Formats: sequence, structure tokens, C-alpha cells
Amino acid sequence: DSGVTQTPKHLITATGQRVTLRCSPRSGDLSVYWYQQSLDQGLQFLIQYYNGEERAKGNILERFSAQQFPDLHSELNLSSLELGDSALYFCASSGRTGGDTQYFGPGTRLTVL
Amino acid sequence: QQQVKQSPQSLIVQKGGISIINCAYENTAFDYFPWYQQFPGKGPALLIAIRPDVSEKKEGRFTISFNKSAKQFSLHIMDSQPGDSATYFCAASKAGQGAQKLVFGQGTRLTINP
Repeated sequence: DSGVTQTPKHLITATGQRVTLRCSPRSGDLSVYWYQQSLDQGLQFLIQYYNGEERAKGNILERFSAQQFPDLHSELNLSSLELGDSALYFCASSGRTGGDTQYFGPGTRLTVL
Repeated sequence: QQQVKQSPQSLIVQKGGISIINCAYENTAFDYFPWYQQFPGKGPALLIAIRPDVSEKKEGRFTISFNKSAKQFSLHIMDSQPGDSATYFCAASKAGQGAQKLVFGQGTRLTINP
């Protein structure tokens, strides 16, 4: 158990809908990262927050947004969902410095029908 | 240039054998190279990591070999066991201003036959 929690574990929704994925980092970790894992694209970095502020951005679609709250939990919002958004979404967290190990959560499996 | 290329895509090794997975990177600014292990239905878990100031790092049965001039690094699993059957990902990152986005290889599905 990495100490990173993600909810829900599974999510099934329809095209055009909006969903919110939630992540709680390990106790004391200030950085939260979101990754998307799909069969064709592999593990792709989406976005990083550090202590509430956006720190780095990957190839995150404009339909996707994220935030980190004062209690350090983070939410990833996916809107206008398309079939191609079906994937595993992982959250990871790391310690106070940027070079620490990233600990991954168990992921949320999103299925868009 | 953020790409990390990983090979092979899949690998079958007999129990007790040596499993070798290779990765190559393009961005010479990368300064952190971790390997992650992922079991079905689980998130990736850090196995071992190396920085470019050393050419080899060993932790138990797992060794990373790093060749800075060739921009390549590899994972060696000695005395491979059926419990090592998983998907392995190499990754690379460039730490800067507290950011450490990981660029992952495509993964290697390792099967250890008993």
C-alpha cells in the first residue's frame, strides 16, 4: 500500500458526460501528479500540483482540469467525455522536494460508453 | 524530445534466469531514471532508481546499469522468480523548480516460467 488513495476505483459513464476523480496524497506529501494509462499511449503525465499551485503540465486536454485543495487532496475533472478517454487514471504524490520518489495510487478505471 | 524507448515489449524467462530490459532516452537533461513494477489492477510501484553520476546500482536481485554516453539504461533481474511476473516501466525525468514529471517507456510484460 503506497499510502495514496484514489476514488472511485471504477467509473462507467456515457459520452458527453463530466466526471471527477479524487486523490488523497501520502501524509506530508505536497506534490500531486496525475497520469493517464491507456493501451495505445502508455503512461502519460497530465499535470502536477505542488502545495495548491500548478507546477507542471503535460499533454492534458483542454477538456480536462485539475486542482489541489488546501488539505492537499486533488481532483481531476474530465468533461465532454469521449470514447477515447477510457483509461486508467493514476495519481501519484511525492515529498517536499521535487526530486523525491513518486508513489502511485491504485488508480481509477474510467470507461466511457 | 521527451521520448523514452523501451524494449522488449514482452519477455519470457525461465525461473532462476536473468531478465534484462533496456531503455534509451533522447533528452540529455534527464537526471533521474527510475524503474517501476506494475501488477495487474495495481498502480506502478518504484523498484529501483539511478542518477547519472553512477554507472550501476544494485538492490537485492535488481540492478540498474547506466551508460550516459550511449543514453541507455537497463534493468537486470537476477535469479528471476514467478513472483517477478509483472509489467516493468522505465522512466526518466528532469528535476527543475520542484517539478519532476516522469516520461515513461512503453512497458515490458515479463513472464517467469516456473
